[in-house]
Amino acid sequence: EAGVAQSPRYKIIEKRQSVAFWCNPISGHATLYWYQQILGQGPKLLIQFQNNGVVDDSQLPKDRFSAERLKGVDSTLKIQPAKLEDSAVYLCASSSLVDSGTEAFFGQGTRLTVV
Amino acid sequence: GNSVTQMEGPVTLSEEAFLTINCTYTATGYPSLFWYVQYPGEGLQLLLKATKADDKGSNKGFEATYRKETTSFHLEKGSVQVSDSAVYFCALLFSGGYNKLIFGAGTRLAVHP
Repeated sequence: EAGVAQSPRYKIIEKRQSVAFWCNPISGHATLYWYQQILGQGPKLLIQFQNNGVVDDSQLPKDRFSAERLKGVDSTLKIQPAKLEDSAVYLCASSSLVDSGTEAFFGQGTRLTVV
Repeated sequence: GNSVTQMEGPVTLSEEAFLTINCTYTATGYPSLFWYVQYPGEGLQLLLKATKADDKGSNKGFEATYRKETTSFHLEKGSVQVSDSAVYFCALLFSGGYNKLIFGAGTRLAVHP
C-alpha cells in the first residue's frame, strides 16, 4: 500500500512570498489532516477534511493560510504572504473512517524556511 | 477542552536502562490514545495504541496502558537500545462527529551505548 505523499520536501522562500504544498493521501482515506510542526514542538492541527469538506479549521490563520481538497482526494495548503514565524515542517496525514481507534498515516512532511 | 501533556525532555539513558515517558490527557468522552515515534530524518509513525480503558498497547518492546482513573497513558520499555533514540509523541483521538487527533509536545529520547 502506497503511503501519504507530500511535495516538495524542502522549500526556502523570502518573507511576503507565497508557497504551496501538495499532499496525496492513501487511496480511499476519507479524512485528511494538515499539521504544522515548529521545531521542538508537537504537531499542531491546522485543518481537517472529511472527504472534500472542512470539518475543523479553528487553528488555521485564515488571513494568510488556505487549503482545499478537490474531489476528496489530493489536497493543497497555501501560505500567502509568508511570515518568518511560518518556518516549520508541514505534515499531511490521512485515515479511514473505520472506527475511533483508526490510526492516521503521515507523510514525510515539507520543511519550510522563511528568510 | 481536549489536551495532551507529556513530560519534558530530553531524556538521556544508557543502553538497557528502563524507560518511562509520562503522558496525561484531558478529554470529554472516551478518546483513543496513541504513541507516535519520529526517528531522525523520518516521518511520524504509529508505535502503539489503546482504544478503551484498561487496554494495553504494545509494540517493539514498548507498552502503555490506558488508565482512565488517572487519565494517563505512560510509555514504558524495560531495556532501551541505541536505536530507540527518537522523539516520542503522545496523541489523543476523540470523536465529536469527526475524529480529531491532537498531539503532545513530544519527548526526545537519547540512548547512549
